[in-house]
Amino acid sequence: DVVMTQSPLSLPVTLGQPASISCRSSQSLVSSDGNTYLSWFLQRPGQSPRRLIYKVSNRHSGVPGRFSGSGSGTDFTLKISRVEAEDVGVYYCMQATHWPPFTFGQGTKLEIK
Amino acid sequence: EVQLVESGGGLVKPGGSLRLSCAASRFTFSYYTMNWVRQAPGKGLEWVSSISGSSNSIYYADSVKGRFTISRDNAKDSLYLQMDSLRAEDTAVYYCARVGDYGDYDPRQGIDYWGQGALVTVSS
Repeated sequence: DVVMTQSPLSLPVTLGQPASISCRSSQSLVSSDGNTYLSWFLQRPGQSPRRLIYKVSNRHSGVPGRFSGSGSGTDFTLKISRVEAEDVGVYYCMQATHWPPFTFGQGTKLEIK
Repeated sequence: EVQLVESGGGLVKPGGSLRLSCAASRFTFSYYTMNWVRQAPGKGLEWVSSISGSSNSIYYADSVKGRFTISRDNAKDSLYLQMDSLRAEDTAVYYCARVGDYGDYDPRQGIDYWGQGALVTVSS
């Protein structure tokens, strides 16, 4: 199975400042069709996960423009341009290229300083 | 928006059984691959099982293979997870989750919507 490794695991950020989370995979996530099936999810406290980004850099419907995804191969990044209070929670990356199974990163907990 | 509502969670003794249900609405249920994903208390996300829209393709995580059975009833817009021989390590919130493959079986499209979860506690 593909192992997904996120860093950092804890991310204290000041409101209005940028934030960045890294996700690395144990093998390339480029699929045979040329797409890269890497998604990002946010799980707010006490809630279920919600998708933010799919196929590396596509924002899910309704996701604010301050969220962006980038990367290729085995190295991916989620960026928040200016952190807001509602961004607090745990962020997960997930690969679907080498399915089954879907595999997730360990999670990165974003908190406000 | 897509709605997924799980039910059937609860407290069960080791070795016991439980059946989870997920009621889907606001989308054409039969067109989508569906999944169960679980989250142990204070831990990360673990994929459990997946079933295609036609039920022709079914997969399980090694940790539950031979003990859990996924199924669906497209006439009732419902997904199920029959859990047998439960162990303490199966204690988790179980989420029903949709893959955004719309009529074209392709789980690589990944999960796009999640339910609110059902808590399963396995303890004597």
